[in-house]
Amino acid sequence: AQRVTQPEKLLSVFKGAPVELKCNYSYSGSPELFWYVQYSRQRLQLLLRHISRESIKGFTADLNKGETSFHLKKPFAQEEDSAMYYCALLGGNAGNMLTFGGGTRLMVKP
Amino acid sequence: EAGVAQSPRYKIIEKRQSVAFWCNPISGHATLYWYQQILGQGPKLLIQFQNNGVVDDSQLPKDRFSAERLKGVDSTLKIQPAKLEDSAVYLCASSLVRGAGELFFGEGSRLTVL
Repeated sequence: AQRVTQPEKLLSVFKGAPVELKCNYSYSGSPELFWYVQYSRQRLQLLLRHISRESIKGFTADLNKGETSFHLKKPFAQEEDSAMYYCALLGGNAGNMLTFGGGTRLMVKP
Repeated sequence: EAGVAQSPRYKIIEKRQSVAFWCNPISGHATLYWYQQILGQGPKLLIQFQNNGVVDDSQLPKDRFSAERLKGVDSTLKIQPAKLEDSAVYLCASSLVRGAGELFFGEGSRLTVL
């Protein structure tokens, strides 16, 4: 069975500080990993996916198959980054089931 | 482009009562999902439809939950009878194709069971 773990429920940093939101997964196949974000009073939405290897809003995430991790990083946090962040894995028997982690609340203080 | 629409936004019922949630996905999206999000947890998939057929309902508590997607567009999720532990936000999402990692979510329906 696939599983996504986000060990931190809350991460609080000051504006301008680096941010790393941790995500670990367990999956027997070849995973596709994603980060979703939910800003206050907004819908859950896709932030980035590992296969695109792109930077979105200054965030990047690298898939480390050896450590089964997909940590989300940003060198300089901004107040508008405050939100709930969910790591998700696309897998399952048919490779079409998106499983979410428990989420990490990021608070960026001024 | 209109997003995923859900109703009602909020519902309060007593245990053993029934409730139904409605979802209208983005036009043209073949795949529709219902997720349950309990406070403090991540979304948990309940059921996935491809057009009007069920792809995965392995995590749906079938003794009390049911869902349908007639005509492959709108969907309803029903709970009967509700239990206290069903208190959660019920999220509907859709994607253009099956196996897509990008899901488009609705605002959710918040259920409180007293």
